[in-house]
Order: sequence, then C-alpha cells, then structure tokens
Amino acid sequence: QVQLVQSGSELKTPGASVKVSCKASGYTFTSYGVNWVRQAPGQGLEWLGWINTDTGNPTYAQGFTGRFVFSLDTSVSTAYLQISSLKAEDTAIYYCARKALGYNYGSEWGQGTLVTVSS
Amino acid sequence: EIVLTQSPGTLSSSPGDRATLSCRASQSVSSSYLAWYQQKPGQAPRLLIYDAFSRATGIPDRFSGSGSGTDFTLTISRLEPEDFAVYYCQQYGSAPTFGQGTKVEIK
Repeated sequence: QVQLVQSGSELKTPGASVKVSCKASGYTFTSYGVNWVRQAPGQGLEWLGWINTDTGNPTYAQGFTGRFVFSLDTSVSTAYLQISSLKAEDTAIYYCARKALGYNYGSEWGQGTLVTVSS
Repeated sequence: EIVLTQSPGTLSSSPGDRATLSCRASQSVSSSYLAWYQQKPGQAPRLLIYDAFSRATGIPDRFSGSGSGTDFTLTISRLEPEDFAVYYCQQYGSAPTFGQGTKVEIK
C-alpha cells in the first residue's frame, strides 16, 4: 500500500536550518509528484508547493520562495523540504502528500513532522 | 489567489444527523477542481472527495460532494461517531489554496 513516512520532530533555534524527509513506498516514486503543506499550531492548512519527482522541477507557492527548498533522492524514493533562516513563525507541522496524477491535490499524506523554532 | 471561505466555522450535531458544510470561492474554480479532506486531532488530513463530487478510495458513501463555480458543499448523510472532525476544502484549479476549516462537533 502507498505510504509516506516522514522524519521525526525537530527543535531549532531562530536562524538555523532544518531538513525534513518524506520516504515513499508502495508505488513508483517518480510517477507522482510530492506536495508540501504546513499547519501552524491550532491553525488551518497552507500549501507550500510541490516537486515533480520525474524532472526534479519544484514549484513554490507565493511567499515560500528563497528560504524553502524542495529536493529529491530518487535512489531512495525520498523527498526533502529544507527551510533556512528559521523564524518563530515557521513553527508548524509539515506534511508531505502524494500528488494525484495530473491534479494538485494530496491523495495520500505523510504523518507530519513538527518543527519547533524557539530560542 | 482564490480565497476559500468555509461555513459554518463550527457545526454542533448529533450522531445520525445530516451535516451540510459549505465552501465558497472568491472566484470561479476551474473545472470544479475542488477537494475535501477530513482531519482528526493528531492525524494527517485524509482525502474524502476530489473533482467536487468523486469519492476517494475507501470513503463511505454517506460522504458526498456537490457544487460548481464558486459554491461547493460536502454532505454527510448520517453522522457516525468517527465523523466528528475538522473538514477542509481545497481548490486546485489554480495555485492551490485551502479553506479555514469547519469543525463538526458532538452536540
């Protein structure tokens, strides 16, 4: 069955960087894109963008260019989200989700990774 | 950017009730590219509906989606205990955006 397993919680200080991983199994990784979505504590869902796992081409939502970088290691069916120059307002649960074929909704989701930014 | 507004913010209902959740877009959603998700505390969102009315794999038929243009609805015909959760709509006709969510709570 399709599974997306994310790396564990992270506690970072402001200005640091973090890299969240999302390992996929149960399907051909390069056939489906990966969306990234975040959820601040007690808040709703916010789409960060997606990465084409076939070409490696990333697409970033408005407001998420520069500090947010999507990458891949197709040899281990894993997508990554790196956030640099962390701010307190980046504190959130970060989810990866398998992108449906041809359409940008998330058909299966990882369990989420809590990133806490605090001094 | 298309802004999605969900109503009500909270719906207080009893098991067995019919629940109707609304999602209104600030401009027309291309080709009815609208999805609904369910999220329970401490869990990731789960896809319920895509393309406005198509049920995702394994979703019970008490969940149904309808609408087009700027007005969309998720209906739960008879609430089961496991249906009390937060529901989000998302449009993907242009750069994806989510609504702010509707919490369905037990009355």
